[in-house]
Amino acid sequence: ETGVTQSPTHLIKTRGQQVTLRCSSQSGHNTVSWYQQALGQGPQFIFQYYREEENGRGNFPPRFSGLQFPNYSSELNVNALELDDSALYLCASSSGQGGVSGYTFGSGTRLTVV
Amino acid sequence: AQSVSQHNHHVILSEAASLELGCNYSYGGTVNLFWYVQYPGQHLQLLLKYFSGDPLVKGIKGFEAEFIKSKFSFNLRKPSVQWSDTAEYFCAVIENNAGNMLTFGGGTRLMVKP
Repeated sequence: ETGVTQSPTHLIKTRGQQVTLRCSSQSGHNTVSWYQQALGQGPQFIFQYYREEENGRGNFPPRFSGLQFPNYSSELNVNALELDDSALYLCASSSGQGGVSGYTFGSGTRLTVV
Repeated sequence: AQSVSQHNHHVILSEAASLELGCNYSYGGTVNLFWYVQYPGQHLQLLLKYFSGDPLVKGIKGFEAEFIKSKFSFNLRKPSVQWSDTAEYFCAVIENNAGNMLTFGGGTRLMVKP
């Protein structure tokens, strides 16, 4: 089975710009979650998508938005980038909403905002 | 809001030493508990999980964890570590009645000296 793939692996953006990160979920998984992992910290939940709708959101401002497509792949969009948005962005997929089967994580996209 | 605390940020052990990493969470209701490992340059991988039943959970690579409800703890153990266990370890919790998000601890960086 294929795992979770994320693109790009690294990205450098300027403050104020917009960025789109992409995630392909593991085969058979219909739920995608996004996490932000700042340097030296644990991942923090941004939001989750199930059947193309957002069904959970963490403490992140509205400039963080997302989409899920019919094939269950997903995008994370961040507008008006700030220096503090520099982090590793992780995508995780699971089967069903509750993650009972466990979440499979991708290797992440390292975003640097300068 | 729920929080997860990992007491040790950095642990250094010699090969064959025993390992115990602490994890405490703040939520008093029903939870699902996880330990993830992140080897250098790799994605987060699930070590073990607890949902219900026997509070002593065995995972991959000889790891185990014990859920002690009265102490709100889910400590990770391994009787004899190997150099290949060098990695960062994250404890995570899902509150059963509060959506699907994983709340992670800050992580413990383990270095095993050969």
